[in-house]
Amino acid sequence: KAGVTQTPRYLIKTRGQQVTLSCSPISGHRSVSWYQQTPGQGLQFLFEYFSETQRNKGNFPGRFSGRQFSNSRSEMNVSTLELGDSALYLCASSLGGDSNQPQHFGDGTRLSIL
Amino acid sequence: EDQVTQSPEALRLQEGESSSLNCSYTVSGLRGLFWYRQDPGKGPEFLFTLYSAGEEKEKERLKATLTKKESFLHITAPKPEDSATYLCAVVRAAGNKLTFGGGTRVLVKP
Repeated sequence: KAGVTQTPRYLIKTRGQQVTLSCSPISGHRSVSWYQQTPGQGLQFLFEYFSETQRNKGNFPGRFSGRQFSNSRSEMNVSTLELGDSALYLCASSLGGDSNQPQHFGDGTRLSIL
Repeated sequence: EDQVTQSPEALRLQEGESSSLNCSYTVSGLRGLFWYRQDPGKGPEFLFTLYSAGEEKEKERLKATLTKKESFLHITAPKPEDSATYLCAVVRAAGNKLTFGGGTRVLVKP
């Protein structure tokens, strides 16, 4: 069974640009969550999508947004990039029906802002 | 606000030297506590879910336990391949948001 797939693996952008990251969940999983991982703040929740609707949102500015498609694939967009946005962005999927179901992570997209 | 604290931050073990990692949590309406393992350059890999105090789960050399305030991950007779960062996370009854601790970096030397 294929795991969570994130593309691209690495990305280099400059300040002020925008970026779109992609996530394909495990087949049959309907919930997709996004996390930001940095050395200073650790893993922080960005948002969760279930059945094409944002179900939960973390404490990040509006520059961070996402969406989910009918096939459960998800994209995350960051606009007006700042140096502090440099991080590993992780996507996780779960069956979605209940919050106690384990989330399975992809290997992330490493975003570097110059 | 939910809080998860892991200790120690780092742990150096000799191969075969058993030890325990601690995860203390404060969450309203705990729905589940999760343990993950993360290798450099990879995403977290799911290990265990614990749902209620007194519950225990085992997998190879790893055993996770849960009380009302903390969870322990016991590593028995570790091998070098057990070297990784171990992450603890909690989820509350409402929502699918994981709150993570800072992790414990484990290095097992042969």
